[in-house]
Amino acid sequence: DAKTTQPPSMDCAEGRAANLPCNHSTISGNEYVYWYRQIHSQGPQYIIHGLKNNETNEMASLIITEDRKSSTLILPHATLRDTAVYYCIAQTGNNRKLIWGLGTSLAVNP
Amino acid sequence: DAMVIQNPRYQVTQFGKPVTLSCSQTLNHNVMYWYQQKSSQAPKLLFHYYDKDFNNEADTPDNFQSRRPNTSFCFLDIRSPGLGDAAMYLCASQREWDTDTQYFGPGTRLTVL
Repeated sequence: DAKTTQPPSMDCAEGRAANLPCNHSTISGNEYVYWYRQIHSQGPQYIIHGLKNNETNEMASLIITEDRKSSTLILPHATLRDTAVYYCIAQTGNNRKLIWGLGTSLAVNP
Repeated sequence: DAMVIQNPRYQVTQFGKPVTLSCSQTLNHNVMYWYQQKSSQAPKLLFHYYDKDFNNEADTPDNFQSRRPNTSFCFLDIRSPGLGDAAMYLCASQREWDTDTQYFGPGTRLTVL
């Protein structure tokens, strides 16, 4: 069973920041939080991951709460090409499998 | 630069007729995965290989088999496809267990008639 919960859908205006929340209140101390996205009819694409600290790369920023019970993926300037399903995933400790939830369908509108 | 390649992108088969889906990776990764993704659902892990060691998920039907003849290639065999096996099949690779990213192929969409 997925260890993460996300809103099923969100909208964002083009050029604005998209903030995608994720709850993972049962995540263990050694489990990473991963974000992938899937554009329609394509394979998932890695975005970012983190354990405790906030992370930033060329695609996005990941803000993890101090208690690690939730996190937020931030796309700083959303474009139409960011329209996709965004998955927040816990990676289990032993064999590093990704436990996928249902994701958030993000629609970026002109 | 293609990294994880899946062929074909679209596959049509008949009910009960065996079908093989192909995946190759140019990354020299040790770990390879097969996922099944049905419409509007999250990817579901079927099995994975660490090098030549095969690991089957407990709920993966026996109808699904896999082969990994070498590091680069991995095949998914569906011995007797049913209508419920129509889905997108995703292949992914990862360098090592404790590295960060799974790289996914574009997927093969399987239709069962």
